[in-house]
Amino acid sequence: SQTIHQWPATLVQPVGSPLSLECTVEGTSNPNLYWYRQAAGRGLQLLFYSVGIGQISSEVPQNLSASRPQDRQFILSSKKLLLSDSGFYLCAWTPEPSGKLFFGSGTQLSVL
Amino acid sequence: SQQGEEDPQALSIQEGENATMNCSYKTSINNLQWYRQNSGRGLVHLILIRSNEREKHSGRLRVTLDTSKKSSSLLITASRAADTASYFCATDQSGYSTLTFGKGTMLLVSP
Repeated sequence: SQTIHQWPATLVQPVGSPLSLECTVEGTSNPNLYWYRQAAGRGLQLLFYSVGIGQISSEVPQNLSASRPQDRQFILSSKKLLLSDSGFYLCAWTPEPSGKLFFGSGTQLSVL
Repeated sequence: SQQGEEDPQALSIQEGENATMNCSYKTSINNLQWYRQNSGRGLVHLILIRSNEREKHSGRLRVTLDTSKKSSSLLITASRAADTASYFCATDQSGYSTLTFGKGTMLLVSP
């Protein structure tokens, strides 16, 4: 069966520090991968998605970047965090375009 | 920008009652999906309805879609305390599952 792993669950970082969040999917190949951010009490905002290795589409210009170094690995990064980067970050995948998304358990990021 | 907008923002009911949540969207879609989120957790997919479908059922869930009105509704019948969660509608316009989510409806089911 397919599973998605996302870590860490909680992260507290100072302003100006770097960020690396990792997401991996097991039990499938060539998934579409997504990074979403959820601000407190808000809906989800799509940040990046990837349909294949090295293929990254950015939905919102910002302080973040994403990479897909392996088929089932998706990384969200920042060189210098801002206060506004705080939020709940969710990784998701789907085996087929226009299908349902399977979400990871999320990372609560607090930038202080 | 927000594509889907849920209504109401919050809903409080007793166990055994039905809960209805509505979603409106602005542009044409490939499909519309409903998700559930327990506090501080990831989202769980509930149901997907395609643009050429009008109604879909899954257990105690019933979803309708009216593309002429650009709206959808989620009905949870015979609610249980365990149904307490936030419910989000999401639309897929691109066909790549780049879903656009609404702000959600917080459902509280009291025993």
